[in-house]
Amino acid sequence: AQSVAQPEDQVNVAEGNPLTVKCTYSVSGNPYLFWYVQYPNRGLQFLLKYITGDNLVKGSYGFEAEFNKSQTSFHLKKPSALVSDSALYFCAVRDMNNQGGKLIFGQGTELSVKP
Amino acid sequence: EPEVTQTPSHQVTQMGQEVILRCVPISNHLYFYWYRQILGQKVEFLVSFYNNEISEKSEIFDDQFSVERPDGSNFTLKIRSTKLEDSAMYFCASSEVGIGYNEQFFGPGTRLTVL
Repeated sequence: AQSVAQPEDQVNVAEGNPLTVKCTYSVSGNPYLFWYVQYPNRGLQFLLKYITGDNLVKGSYGFEAEFNKSQTSFHLKKPSALVSDSALYFCAVRDMNNQGGKLIFGQGTELSVKP
Repeated sequence: EPEVTQTPSHQVTQMGQEVILRCVPISNHLYFYWYRQILGQKVEFLVSFYNNEISEKSEIFDDQFSVERPDGSNFTLKIRSTKLEDSAMYFCASSEVGIGYNEQFFGPGTRLTVL
């Protein structure tokens, strides 16, 4: 079965410092991986995706993610965190076993950036 | 920029009542989805819909749930007889196609409270 794990419920970072939000996956075949962000009382906003090609993927708001096949990881990163980055972050994998292609989400990581 | 919209933003209902949650997907999208997020938990897939029929449904999506695309723009989720455990945030999503590399765009959600 395909799955995604986010090992940290919460990540605390000081503004200006680099941030990493971790994600590991388990799939059969090639993974299609996504990161979404959820601000309070809002829906999920797409940040970036990995399909194929370069292992370093760049996305919205200065975020990037590194795909590592040997470690089955897809960690989200940002070189310099902003207070406004504080939100809930979800990693997801696309289910390629069914036509609908549902997303399978991790449990989410709450990022808190302090001034 | 086109976006997925959902109404209402908040629905309060009595246990046993029927509710209909409404979504307007992005106009040129062909695949539609419902997910839910119980407070403090991960986002869970409910159902995917394509070409006027269900592509896939989860075990959560039992006989109490149904989906419909009554016209060219709306996509609805109906819960026939709500239970307390149906209280959650319900997200609608859409994508251009169902194949793996297309991201899904999410609406802001409807918070359903069952009393």
